[in-house]
Formats: sequence, structure tokens, C-alpha cells
Amino acid sequence: QQQVKQSPQSLIVQKGGISIINCAYENTAFDYFPWYQQFPGKGPALLIAIRPDVSEKKEGRFTISFNKSAKQFSLHIMDSQPGDSATYFCAAIMGNQFYFGTGTSLTVIP
Amino acid sequence: KAGVTQTPRYLIKTRGQQVTLSCSPISGHRSVSWYQQTPGQGLQFLFEYFSETQRNKGNFPGRFSGRQFSNSRSEMNVSTLELGDSALYLCASSLLTLNEKLFFGSGTQLSVL
Repeated sequence: QQQVKQSPQSLIVQKGGISIINCAYENTAFDYFPWYQQFPGKGPALLIAIRPDVSEKKEGRFTISFNKSAKQFSLHIMDSQPGDSATYFCAAIMGNQFYFGTGTSLTVIP
Repeated sequence: KAGVTQTPRYLIKTRGQQVTLSCSPISGHRSVSWYQQTPGQGLQFLFEYFSETQRNKGNFPGRFSGRQFSNSRSEMNVSTLELGDSALYLCASSLLTLNEKLFFGSGTQLSVL
């Protein structure tokens, strides 16, 4: 059973638009929800993370919205830029177990 | 500050062989974790080491093992390689735990022929 479900698999957005990626999780014991950005040939890099006692966190153009009752969280990228074109992974951590979503390939068209 | 260093960058092996991958964490980081990334299965957690002890393990067979040295450097070993072990193996380090900022290396791309 997949612990974290991520959608969409791919996303194409115009420059300046908003990119939205969604994740849903199963286990309410998860206590840390990071988003990672990965460029080809590189390892993932932490973008932003949230803990379940907060409903929203914003860092620059990146915002996580967290809905504890629905067991869902999402990444919003405002004013999307071509340099944001990458693969994005959500994740959920429970104790010392780490579960990733399946990834979203984002393409921002100039 | 140097990042997480993984060696080698690329590796080609044949079925049945074994392989050892190396990871040097960021100085001062004591937690080192390993991940497998494939197009089909995505990113999967292998295991985490802290203070030379395996603290947790993902759902992988016993052919996958690792260790951590007193300087926090870590190695991962895969024995009796199978074609399905072809993947990008990523190492990450953090100060203490998995639920804080992880710093990933660029990975070792393993091809099993």
C-alpha cells in the first residue's frame, strides 16, 4: 500500500503562472512533510517543509498548504519560472521511516 | 562547507556480483540515510545510520546492507546483484534525524548487466 500518493504525474505551466502539486497520506502518525526539488543528474534538495500543527507555510514563492483532517498537503509555486522546471517529490516521515510520493515533473514554458 | 559526497558516480556490474558504494556526509552530520531511485518505483528509503548503528530499515531484502564508521562516513553494500538493482542510489545526511533538513548527494548510478 502506497503511504503517500502524489498528483499530477506531470504539469505544464506558463511562466508567471501558479503550479500546484498535491499529496495525500494514509497514516496520521506522520509528523514531518517536506517537499524536495530534483534536477536531472542531481540529488533532491529540500524546498520547504511543514509539521502537522501548522496549516500553511510560505517561503518566498513556495507555499505548503496542509489539511490535517483530509490528510492532504500541497505545494504551490507562485510566479513559476522556467528555472523551476524540475521533478518535485513530497514526502512524509514517521519516526525514522521515510516515504516519498511518486514525483511530479514540472515544465514551465517561457 | 562541502556537501555530501558519493563515490563512485557511475558503476557497471554484472549479475551475481557485489558492490560497495561510499558516502561522506557533511561535516558534523551524524545521521546518514540511503535511498534507491528507479523510474518504476520512484524514491524508496533503504536505511538510516546514526552513531555507527542502523537505526531503521526500509522494505528491502537482506542483500542490501550498510555500515557507518566513527567519522560518520557510510558505505552501502549490495550482494548477489540482480538486474532489478539497477538504479540511482542516493545518500543523504542530516544533523541528527530524518525529520529535519536532509542534504542529498548526487548519487551513484548503478547498472547491472
